[in-house]
Amino acid sequence: GENVEQHPSTLSVQEGDSAVIKCTYSDSASNYFPWYKQELGKRPQLIIDIRSNVGEKKDQRIAVTLNKTAKHFSLHITETQPEDSAVYFCAASIGAAGNKLTFGGGTRVLVKP
Amino acid sequence: DAGVIQSPRHEVTEMGQEVTLRCKPISGHDYLFWYRQTMMRGLELLIYFNNNVPIDDSGMPEDRFSAKMPNASFSTLKIQPSEPRDSAVYFCASSLGGDTQYFGPGTRLTVL
Repeated sequence: GENVEQHPSTLSVQEGDSAVIKCTYSDSASNYFPWYKQELGKRPQLIIDIRSNVGEKKDQRIAVTLNKTAKHFSLHITETQPEDSAVYFCAASIGAAGNKLTFGGGTRVLVKP
Repeated sequence: DAGVIQSPRHEVTEMGQEVTLRCKPISGHDYLFWYRQTMMRGLELLIYFNNNVPIDDSGMPEDRFSAKMPNASFSTLKIQPSEPRDSAVYFCASSLGGDTQYFGPGTRLTVL
């Protein structure tokens, strides 16, 4: 089955700096890659996703890049703010749509004011 | 829309007791997923349904766990008998056409 590895496990950045989280996946058939943000005690919430026919996608301060050849994808957060502090999860799935997600282990991001 | 609804939000029980977790997906969604989240194992998919039919239960840890979806608006995850190692946050999620999954608030289960 699919295996997703996520790095780093923790990330501390100064407010205003950029944060980058990287994930690798094992199954070349995976074609949907969402990113979820989970604040303490809350549910995971989708912040951005990318499909295999796209190499990069942006939404305001966040962007995701995908390299299918290398089987890795990354989340970039620019101009970080304290409210960006949370655990971020990447995921991958196989199929026409996003069913049966396999999640990475998560990255705890701390933005220091 | 109220989003995915889960109950109870917190459950404390003693080892050996039966535990039933409940989920109401977003109206109109045809996929429903049950996840378990722990510090050690992260976020794990237990089982998912499509149009009320279980599609993949390979993540269900053992026979003590069972899940049902009797209709499009309700699903249960049952643990019988419960054990301390079952302590975790259990999330239900739903999606339309298997696309973006929307998570419920979760049930925090503590088995003493």
